[in-house]
Amino acid sequence: DAMVIQNPRYQVTQFGKPVTLSCSQTLNHNVMYWYQQKSSQAPKLLFHYYDKDFNNEADTPDNFQSRRPNTSFCFLDIRSPGLGDAAMYLCATSRDGGVQETQYFGPGTRLLVL
Amino acid sequence: AQSVTQPDIHITVSEGASLELRCNYSYGATPYLFWYVQSPGQGLQLLLKYFSGDTLVQGIKGFEAEFKRSQSSFNLRKPSVHWSDAAEYFCAVGAEGGKLIFGQGTELSVKP
Repeated sequence: DAMVIQNPRYQVTQFGKPVTLSCSQTLNHNVMYWYQQKSSQAPKLLFHYYDKDFNNEADTPDNFQSRRPNTSFCFLDIRSPGLGDAAMYLCATSRDGGVQETQYFGPGTRLLVL
Repeated sequence: AQSVTQPDIHITVSEGASLELRCNYSYGATPYLFWYVQSPGQGLQLLLKYFSGDTLVQGIKGFEAEFKRSQSSFNLRKPSVHWSDAAEYFCAVGAEGGKLIFGQGTELSVKP
């Protein structure tokens, strides 16, 4: 089945220690999104890629970076995680980023910062 | 600016009872509206979406939603709730660049 895969499902890191979260997709979609979802809150878009074009949300901290080496993979890098970065990180894809398009979500990576 | 409001943070219903989850949106033009469901520890799954045509939209798992422009609402309904429907439900509006703007979510609990 075509799907969005996130690894790892759970990640524990130390305060200030860089961490990378991974997302891959077999849908061959052009757009990949990263959302941050804190406990009991709505998902909040951090950034997205349309193909290789990176689109950062205005209020995304510089501490968050992303890479998309090819169509299938996208990475979220947190350079110096703080306690406030503990959250569920959701990856999603859509075919072409149209307003009416469905986004397909992965299961998420839950990040714990000690 | 676009926004979505889900007035109910938490709702409890008995199994077999009907369900309605409220969603209000703020958007200048014709909105593209979505309902997603999130089971504990999982990602989001699309239940249904509306962007034109019939204002009553059918979705998966027996859910439906009705778009009411006059009330800026897109409420989700199900005639008979099952225990497996217990989850978090998010209403969202599609925005420029294909972004989704989510409401705060409504947590549904189902009593046996």
